[in-house]
Amino acid sequence: DTGVSQDPRHKITKRGQNVTFRCDPISEHNRLYWYRQTLGQGPEFLTYFQNEAQLEKSRLLSDRFSAERPKGSFSTLEIQRTEQGDSAMYLCASSSQGRDQETQYFGPGTRLLVL
Amino acid sequence: GDSVTQMEGPVTLSEEAFLTINCTYTATGYPSLFWYVQYPGEGLQLLLKATKADDKGSNKGFEATYRKETTSFHLEKGSVQVSDSAVYFCALRGSGGSNYKLTFGKGTLLTVNP
Repeated sequence: DTGVSQDPRHKITKRGQNVTFRCDPISEHNRLYWYRQTLGQGPEFLTYFQNEAQLEKSRLLSDRFSAERPKGSFSTLEIQRTEQGDSAMYLCASSSQGRDQETQYFGPGTRLLVL
Repeated sequence: GDSVTQMEGPVTLSEEAFLTINCTYTATGYPSLFWYVQYPGEGLQLLLKATKADDKGSNKGFEATYRKETTSFHLEKGSVQVSDSAVYFCALRGSGGSNYKLTFGKGTLLTVNP
């Protein structure tokens, strides 16, 4: 068990560019979550997958954001036409459907800076 | 909607001092409650949890009791160490079969001085 991994760890981009982040959950976990954390705040929920199905999306997830989880394994979060307000830490978490289903395990995050 | 309010920081203590970080919540039904910790440069780690009223979660000397009557889940530790310096987040997961997201408080920065 290597934990949840995210790539890249840091991303600097110019306003208007597109960026894509990847999350690899713990291998046996069928649930995957994306959160966004801005400076001085707690993480805020963005979206949730069970296997490959995206079951819930926050109103924070504007039309410029899209998330996928093909084949129910890794997930990608794409932000199109980035804005300075998108600068944040993007966190991925996963959980199982079994005994420990209450617990979400978080990755190290991808820190995005939009110039 | 669900919300979590936790004590504003930063909190600065001397080693071996007693720690309390207050957390209260608003939610319908019977949420599950969590404390997560974020050490400098690292991701969020689950510290402890409680899934029903009067449950006590504990780990690494930290404790928190799920108090439904006061809608609280205060974090305590009897004797803090320098290595406990981190940001602590209180969170809840709402009740109901399809509610899986976590709602977090803003976090409390704890600094423990030797």
